[in-house]
Amino acid sequence: DAGVTQSPTHLIKTRGQQVTLRCSPKSGHDTVSWYQQALGQGPQFIFQYYEEEERQRGNFPDRFSGHQFPNYSSELNVNALLLGDSALYLCASSMGPREVSYNEQFFGPGTRLTVL
Amino acid sequence: LAKTTQPISMDSYEGQEVNITCSHNNIATNDYITWYQQFPSQGPRFIIQGYKTKVTNEVASLFIPADRKSSTLSLPRVSLSDTAVYYCLVGALSWNSGNTPLVFGKGTRLSVIA
Repeated sequence: DAGVTQSPTHLIKTRGQQVTLRCSPKSGHDTVSWYQQALGQGPQFIFQYYEEEERQRGNFPDRFSGHQFPNYSSELNVNALLLGDSALYLCASSMGPREVSYNEQFFGPGTRLTVL
Repeated sequence: LAKTTQPISMDSYEGQEVNITCSHNNIATNDYITWYQQFPSQGPRFIIQGYKTKVTNEVASLFIPADRKSSTLSLPRVSLSDTAVYYCLVGALSWNSGNTPLVFGKGTRLSVIA
């Protein structure tokens, strides 16, 4: 049973460029959330996709956008990269709205983005 | 959202029991307490979740007092492989948002020494 996978593992970009990160959720999951983790900090919620729509969004500018495909995989796009966008980008998958007894999200290994 | 406070770091020797306490004075009635573990260069991993009293699984125990203003994650007989950052999270679960965004603090960096 494959867990959450992300690609690429590492990425180096320069300021002003655009980047696309990809995520495949755990088998059976239909919801994907993206988080940004700066060095020494906890992950910060960017947004969440369910049924191919952005359902919830954290405090991130419009330069951060995303997409979810019919197979539940997702992309995170960041435009006009800034030095401060350098971070580990984590994808987490879970099951969509339902009666829950706990909120467990499964994280991928992340994509390390470096902006020069 | 309830804010959490936990120690920045802790050291322990192998084989000892480790208790990490988290304060969440503003916890709401419908909030749950969840702990995640993160190893370097990996995504966080769910450890345990609870609402009140005590919860135990194969990895850890979670103790929550009656007032729920704090919680303690207990790791029995730690090994070197338990060296990681441990995050305490507080948030609500509901039918409409069964996937409430996780709100992480800076966590507690646990170092296990041989």
